[in-house]
Amino acid sequence: GNSVTQMEGPVTLSEEAFLTINCTYTATGYPSLFWYVQYPGEGLQLLLKATKADDKGSNKGFEATYRKETTSFHLEKGSVQVSDSAVYFCALSDQGNTPLVFGKGTRLSVIA
Amino acid sequence: EPEVTQTPSHQVTQMGQEVILRCVPISNHLYFYWYRQILGQKVEFLVSFYNNEISEKSEIFDDQFSVERPDGSNFTLKIRSTKLEDSAMYFCASSPGTIGFEQYFGPGTRLTVT
Repeated sequence: GNSVTQMEGPVTLSEEAFLTINCTYTATGYPSLFWYVQYPGEGLQLLLKATKADDKGSNKGFEATYRKETTSFHLEKGSVQVSDSAVYFCALSDQGNTPLVFGKGTRLSVIA
Repeated sequence: EPEVTQTPSHQVTQMGQEVILRCVPISNHLYFYWYRQILGQKVEFLVSFYNNEISEKSEIFDDQFSVERPDGSNFTLKIRSTKLEDSAMYFCASSPGTIGFEQYFGPGTRLTVT
């Protein structure tokens, strides 16, 4: 079945540091890929998405590129802020309105 | 901006009791979902609902669980006889069902079974 593996946290960075959170997937066919973020005390918010190979999703300075050859969708940000502290989830779904399959989540803490 | 809402934010119940978790999806969305996250584990799919019926369900969604859309706005998850292992954060999500198929999540209900 489909699955998502993302790097274990927690990740602690200083403000303005470069962020990478690795995500790889296993899927049949061509899934859509997503990054969700969960700020403390809140629900899951869609951060960015990519629906086909080589697509780059971006939002709020975060980027991720759909790499079919390496089955990866790594999340990056060039300069993190304290307000980026949250839990980040990588997820996939088969095309259409199928359920999301999530990774375990990576907790990011950014210190000033 | 429209958002998915869930009530209550936290529910404590005794083992064997029935609980109903409530969700108000984004209006004009067509697909509705329940997921759960046991503390420290992955977010897991429970069930999806479309056109007033279950469209897909996971192995977790056994006979103890049921979903309903009793009116045009609410979407509920009922657990008939709670077990200790049902303690988790339960998330509701909705999707417009159109291009992109993004799912929009509520803030979750934390269920604690004692």
